[in-house]
Amino acid sequence: KAGVTQTPRYLIKTRGQQVTLSCSPISGHRSVSWYQQTPGQGLQFLFEYFSETQRNKGNFPGRFSGRQFSNSRSEMNVSTLELGDSALYLCASSGSGLGGSYNSPLHFGNGTRLTVT
Amino acid sequence: DAKTTQPNSMESNEEEPVHLPCNHSTISGTDYIHWYRQLPSQGPEYVIHGLTSNVNNRMASLAIAEDRKSSTLILHRATLRDAAVYYCILRDTRAGGFKTIFGAGTRLFVKA
Repeated sequence: KAGVTQTPRYLIKTRGQQVTLSCSPISGHRSVSWYQQTPGQGLQFLFEYFSETQRNKGNFPGRFSGRQFSNSRSEMNVSTLELGDSALYLCASSGSGLGGSYNSPLHFGNGTRLTVT
Repeated sequence: DAKTTQPNSMESNEEEPVHLPCNHSTISGTDYIHWYRQLPSQGPEYVIHGLTSNVNNRMASLAIAEDRKSSTLILHRATLRDAAVYYCILRDTRAGGFKTIFGAGTRLFVKA
């Protein structure tokens, strides 16, 4: 079974630009969540999607948004980039039991490293 | 949201057992305890998870205290490849939304 795939692997953008990151979950997984990892703040939860619906959102400004498609693939978008948005962005998928329970493990991709200059 | 507390770092000798502790005093009855590890330049990797009973898999064992306010990840024989940051997190089993909170994790150093 193929793992979680994130593209691109590396990205360099300029302040003020916007960026879209992509995540393909493990086949059959309907839950996709996104995380930001920085040396100072560690791993922080951004949001989670299940069957094309955002179920929860972390404490990030509205510049951070996402969506999920009918095939469970997900994208996240960051608009008006700031220097502080430089980070490793990780996507994770998990299988969900009936009703979307959360006792299934998270399977992470290797992330997209975004550098904002 | 329930949080976890782990030591910043631990050191082990190769081929010896390692016990990585985690405190989660505000755990709720519907929280599963998950452990992940992260190697440099990679995303976190699932290690093990459990609810109340101790769990074993090919990678590790998870010992959960009777009151569930703490747990311990046990690597039976540490290898150099086990050097990583280990995260203990809680995931609420209830449907309808969640926020998975990662702490700073424990950086494990393994000496040859």
